Amino acid sequence: EAGVAQSPRYKIIEKRQSVAFWCNPISGHATLYWYQQILGQGPKLLIQFQNNGVVDDSQLPKDRFSAERLKGVDSTLKIQPAKLEDSAVYLCASSSLRGDSYEQYFGPGTRLTVT
Amino acid sequence: DAKTTQPNSMESNEEEPVHLPCNHSTISGTDYIHWYRQLPSQGPEYVIHGLTSNVNNRMASLAIAEDRKSSTLILHRATLRDAAVYYCILRYSGAGSYQLTFGKGTKLSVIP
Repeated sequence: EAGVAQSPRYKIIEKRQSVAFWCNPISGHATLYWYQQILGQGPKLLIQFQNNGVVDDSQLPKDRFSAERLKGVDSTLKIQPAKLEDSAVYLCASSSLRGDSYEQYFGPGTRLTVT
Repeated sequence: DAKTTQPNSMESNEEEPVHLPCNHSTISGTDYIHWYRQLPSQGPEYVIHGLTSNVNNRMASLAIAEDRKSSTLILHRATLRDAAVYYCILRYSGAGSYQLTFGKGTKLSVIP
């Protein structure tokens, strides 16, 4: 089966500019996650969707970050305006609700550099 | 959230077994123990998970202490492809919560 797709893979922007990332989860996966991974650290959850509803966005900096999941499939994460500290890899993951592992499948990530 | 403690880094020789430890002394009875790994420039990938009993799959084995306060991920024969950061994560098993909270993990280096 096809994995989680993300684009772009790399993005360089200047501070105060805006940027958007796109994620296409594995077909049929109801749950979608966006993570931020700063160099040298583990991924940090930003937002979790179940179908097209938000389950948890408690760690999303809502003054500058927004995310949506239209029709419960694809999702976009936007940053506006970007700050230097937003430089990180943004990972998208998806999972189904079957079994007991709730295994999350991760995409390759988008590496964002803010200059 | 219950926390895990892992060594920052470990080394192993190729084709030898590797035991990656994880301490989770505050684990609750409803927490599953999950292991994920992240190869360089890739997203994390699921390795194995367990609740109370030891578990085996094609990638690794998970040994869970009887009191569940620690666990060990066992790679039976390390290959160069196993060089990665390994994350030990506790996942609450209650309904509606499937989140993973990643720490810094253990960076495994495999020496040819």
